[in-house]
Amino acid sequence: QKEVEQDPGPLSVPEGAIVSLNCTYSNSAFQYFMWYRQYSRKGPELLMYTYSSGNKEDGRFTAQVDKSSKYISLFIRDSQPSDSATYLCAMSGNNFNKFYFGSGTKLNVKP
Amino acid sequence: DTAVSQTPKYLVTQMGNDKSIKCEQNLGHDTMYWYKQDSKKFLKIMFSYNNKELIINETVPNRFSPKSPDKAHLNLHINSLELGDSAVYFCASSQGLAGGTDTQYFGPGTRLTVL
Repeated sequence: QKEVEQDPGPLSVPEGAIVSLNCTYSNSAFQYFMWYRQYSRKGPELLMYTYSSGNKEDGRFTAQVDKSSKYISLFIRDSQPSDSATYLCAMSGNNFNKFYFGSGTKLNVKP
Repeated sequence: DTAVSQTPKYLVTQMGNDKSIKCEQNLGHDTMYWYKQDSKKFLKIMFSYNNKELIINETVPNRFSPKSPDKAHLNLHINSLELGDSAVYFCASSQGLAGGTDTQYFGPGTRLTVL
């Protein structure tokens, strides 16, 4: 079983839709949870990170962590065609700079 | 200015050859990483260096040898290339070792194709 599971999609939504992206994980030692966006043929770029459980909002993006369920989500409001990319979740524990990535969900926002 | 740069961007080579990929960061970060991203977009850490010292060495064939001449550079040398080595290799850097509190900055990737 992989440390981090993520539905690869693709997920296709119309412009303006609310998008929900999710990951599950198995290691209860994970404390830091991150979402990266990766455009085609580019390196991943960090969108958001959260520590432990709770919500964090940044503009149209909201990250949620539910440690009891080992489940994290990224919500994108008012999705735009420019949001079309692969979204990777990543997580790590307290003592290591070792990050475990999900396989990414490909999102396509249609104009 | 590019924060994390990699060369070459594309690398096509024959099985059995030896090749190197170079990475440089101008962010003043102490930690650098190599990741491999396979065709299914799964991104897996291979190595991590902090101030030129190896701190993470995942289960990677010993044909892969990282070298860090200084903390701004982390190169990856691959011996006896195999078909399964075909992937995109990403270099990344972060300020320190504080786990998730340190943002990792990724390079543009090197697309390696082994024929």
